[in-house]
Amino acid sequence: AQKVTQAQTEISVVEKEDVTLDCVYETRDTTYYLFWYKQPPSGELVFLIRRNSFDEQNEISGRYSWNFQKSTSSFNFTITASQVVDSAVYFCALSEARRTSGSRLTFGEGTQLTVNP
Amino acid sequence: EAGVTQSPTHLIKTRGQQVTLRCSPISGHTSVYWYQQALGLGLQFLLWYDEGEERNRGNFPPRFSGRQFPNYSSELNVNALELEDSALYLCASSLAGGVGIYSNQPQHFGDGTRLSIL
Repeated sequence: AQKVTQAQTEISVVEKEDVTLDCVYETRDTTYYLFWYKQPPSGELVFLIRRNSFDEQNEISGRYSWNFQKSTSSFNFTITASQVVDSAVYFCALSEARRTSGSRLTFGEGTQLTVNP
Repeated sequence: EAGVTQSPTHLIKTRGQQVTLRCSPISGHTSVYWYQQALGLGLQFLLWYDEGEERNRGNFPPRFSGRQFPNYSSELNVNALELEDSALYLCASSLAGGVGIYSNQPQHFGDGTRLSIL
């Protein structure tokens, strides 16, 4: 069975601080995909990134960066110089590369990030 | 490009009633997924439809069902509503995978339907 754990339920920071959201996953598969989604108060889940299990290169997109380490089964997300608009719930998710399950996502519990002015 | 659209936005029902939620995927997407986001339970996978067929379902009772139409839009039906069915129901769509194996294309979500059971 697969599982995603986001141990940080809530994080509160002041604007311009850097913040890292932790994600630890469990799977028996060697091929899998990891995702991060953002859920603002409006409710829609916004796709941020997808990584496959064979690509451990870190990725940077503007103020966002992701650190994928298979050795520790972690896929952490860092926001640099946080802004108030970053306030949202962030979900880490996992999907296994199986025909029978498609892109079915297993989500972590989510981390509520609040960025205060 | 229009995103995933869901209707209705909000719905209030009473126990024992039946409800139908609707979802239109992004143009070109053939896969539709349904998720339930209930308070305290997180986001849980409900159903996956692709090319008009139900391909996989999560750990939900049979009173949760649905279908996908030839235009790839989808309906989620919930019968005999119970109080614990109160939740945000999210629909997502994605491109189908490549030949041989699904390549886990990113799912794009709608705004959801908030269902309240009284």
